Amino acid sequence: AQSVAQPEDQVNVAEGNPLTVKCTYSVSGNPYLFWYVQYPNRGLQFLLKYITGDNLVKGSYGFEAEFNKSQTSFHLKKPSALVSDSALYFCAVRDITRDDKIIFGKGTRLHILP
Amino acid sequence: GAGVSQSPSNKVTEKGKDVELRCDPISGHTALYWYRQSLGQGLEFLIYFQGNSAPDKSGLPSDRFSAERTGGSVSTLTIQRTQQEDSAVYLCASSIQRGGIDEQFFGPGTRLTVL
Repeated sequence: AQSVAQPEDQVNVAEGNPLTVKCTYSVSGNPYLFWYVQYPNRGLQFLLKYITGDNLVKGSYGFEAEFNKSQTSFHLKKPSALVSDSALYFCAVRDITRDDKIIFGKGTRLHILP
Repeated sequence: GAGVSQSPSNKVTEKGKDVELRCDPISGHTALYWYRQSLGQGLEFLIYFQGNSAPDKSGLPSDRFSAERTGGSVSTLTIQRTQQEDSAVYLCASSIQRGGIDEQFFGPGTRLTVL
């Protein structure tokens, strides 16, 4: 069965520093990978996705993520964090081979410290 | 409407009562998902509708939970004989579902509190 893990419940980063939010996945076939963000008191919003092609995917708000097949990871990154990036981030995976539903991780709360 | 809408936004009910939560997906979206978000539990998949196919109910936590989607559009999630552990935010999402590559658009959620 497909699964996705976000090993950190919370990540603290100083404003201006680079940030990484980790995600690893497990699928039997080929994955589609997604990152979503939930800002305080707002709904979940799509950030970026990996379907095929370049391993480095660029998304909204200056975020990017790198697909690493050998490590089965899809870590979310940003070169310089903003206080406004503080939110709850979810990684999600879909096994395209199985035409299965999307599975979300438990989420990582990102705190950007001013 | 422009986005996914859900109603009610908040629901407070007494233990043992039934509740219905409604989701209006984006027009033209064939896929519809229900999730439950609890503190410390992340997003828990409940049920998935795709076009006219039989829904994937594998995430429903008990037989007290059911959902239907009428006419391929509006969906209703019903919880019978509610329990306190059912308290959570229930999120609905829809997507165009072109081979599964499309992102989901989420509604604002219904916050359910069972007293």
